[in-house]
Amino acid sequence: KQEVTQIPAALSVPEGENLVLNCSFTDSAIYNLQWFRQDPGKGLTSLLLIQSSQREQTSGRLNASLDKSSGRSTLYIAASQPGDSATYLCAVRYGGATNKLIFGTGTLLAVQP
Amino acid sequence: NAGVTQTPKFRILKIGQSMTLQCAQDMNHNYMYWYRQDPGMGLKLIYYSVGAGITDKGEVPNGYNVSRSTTEDFPLRLELAAPSQTSVYFCASSAGSRNYGYTFGSGTRLTVV
Repeated sequence: KQEVTQIPAALSVPEGENLVLNCSFTDSAIYNLQWFRQDPGKGLTSLLLIQSSQREQTSGRLNASLDKSSGRSTLYIAASQPGDSATYLCAVRYGGATNKLIFGTGTLLAVQP
Repeated sequence: NAGVTQTPKFRILKIGQSMTLQCAQDMNHNYMYWYRQDPGMGLKLIYYSVGAGITDKGEVPNGYNVSRSTTEDFPLRLELAAPSQTSVYFCASSAGSRNYGYTFGSGTRLTVV
């Protein structure tokens, strides 16, 4: 069964810390992996998209890595800010008829000022 | 540059009522999806479409119906609303190719009482 797991479920850090969010998936035959941010009561904002052939992607203070063979991805946030507080979702895209996206349950991040 | 637009943003339904959640995208994407998000449960796929006139069931289709008469629109119909359908509903679209990510709408928060 294709499953995506995110650890930790919740994380609280002081402002300025560097932090790592983890995502693991059971089926390594992925097309790509996408990290989203979700603010309370809001929709999903795409942060980074990593193709199966890539090892990492960077956008500003965010860096996402992908190790397909071990079924793992990490999202690194540098110099965290209170505005980074949100839920971070990892989603893995598989092929087949649906090209469906399988979501993890997310990591709730709180950055304390 | 609207992306994926969902209406309404909020709705309260009584048990047994019906309604249609609207979703429109202006990116000429072939693939469109409906997800529901329940607290602590991640996002589950309800229905998807790979192009106009083609729809199929996802993981949790019971109690819902969809249609796809145009590339742009993908409405979700709830018949005989039940309390178990209380959730946040997200519509998403994708270009379909394995190299593309998903774009999500801002969601519809539905309460059935």
